[in-house]
Amino acid sequence: EADIYQTPRYLVIGTGKKITLECSQTMGHDKMYWYQQDPGMELHLIHYSYGVNSTEKGDLSSESTVSRIRTEHFPLTLESARPSHTSQYLCASSGLGYEQYFGPGTRLTVT
Amino acid sequence: KQEVTQIPAALSVPEGENLVLNCSFTDSAIYNLQWFRQDPGKGLTSLLLIQSSQREQTSGRLNASLDKSSGRSTLYIAASQPGDSATYLCAVRHNNNDMRFGAGTRLTVKP
Repeated sequence: EADIYQTPRYLVIGTGKKITLECSQTMGHDKMYWYQQDPGMELHLIHYSYGVNSTEKGDLSSESTVSRIRTEHFPLTLESARPSHTSQYLCASSGLGYEQYFGPGTRLTVT
Repeated sequence: KQEVTQIPAALSVPEGENLVLNCSFTDSAIYNLQWFRQDPGKGLTSLLLIQSSQREQTSGRLNASLDKSSGRSTLYIAASQPGDSATYLCAVRHNNNDMRFGAGTRLTVKP
C-alpha cells in the first residue's frame, strides 16, 4: 500500500544529543518536504527536495540538515538537540500534480 | 509574501448542521489550493485539491470552492457528524516550491 512513514512517532531526548528523524514514502513521489508545527500554529517549511541529491532550505530557519540519497527516503538530522527544538515534525511528499500527502508526524521533546 | 487566514479559529456546532469554513489569501497568483484535516497529534489528511483553473471540487459530504480574484476559498461540510471533529487547514501553493498554510479552524461537532 502506498504511504508515508515516519519514525519514531514520539521521542524524548536530552539536550546535546544527535537525533535523526526518519521519513520514507512508497508513493513514487519525487518531491519531499519537512515541516515544523507547534501546537495550534500553522506549519512552517524547513526543508524540501525535488529529487535525489537535491535539498533546499525552507522559510523557517532551522539548525537541522537533510539528505536525499534515495528517492523514497528523506531523513532529518539535528546534530545537537536543544529545548527550542521541541515541536512536531511532519514529513510530506508530492508527485506531478503537487498534491501533498503527509506522514503521521514525529513529536519531539528535548529536555 | 503570501498570507493565509482562516476564520473562525474555532467552531462548535450540533450534529447534523451544514457548515462553512473560510480561507482567504493575499496573493491571487496561486498554482493550487488544498484542504486538509488534522486530528490531534496526527499528520494531515488531504481532503480536496483545487487547481487554479478550477472553481470547485467535491468529495462525499465535502465541497470546496475557489475564487482566485477575491482570494477566497470555502469548505462546505454537509450534515456534520461527531467524527468530523478535527482541525481543518487550507494551504495555498504559490509556485512550484512555496506552499503556505493557514493556522486552521478547530471544528467540534456535538452529538
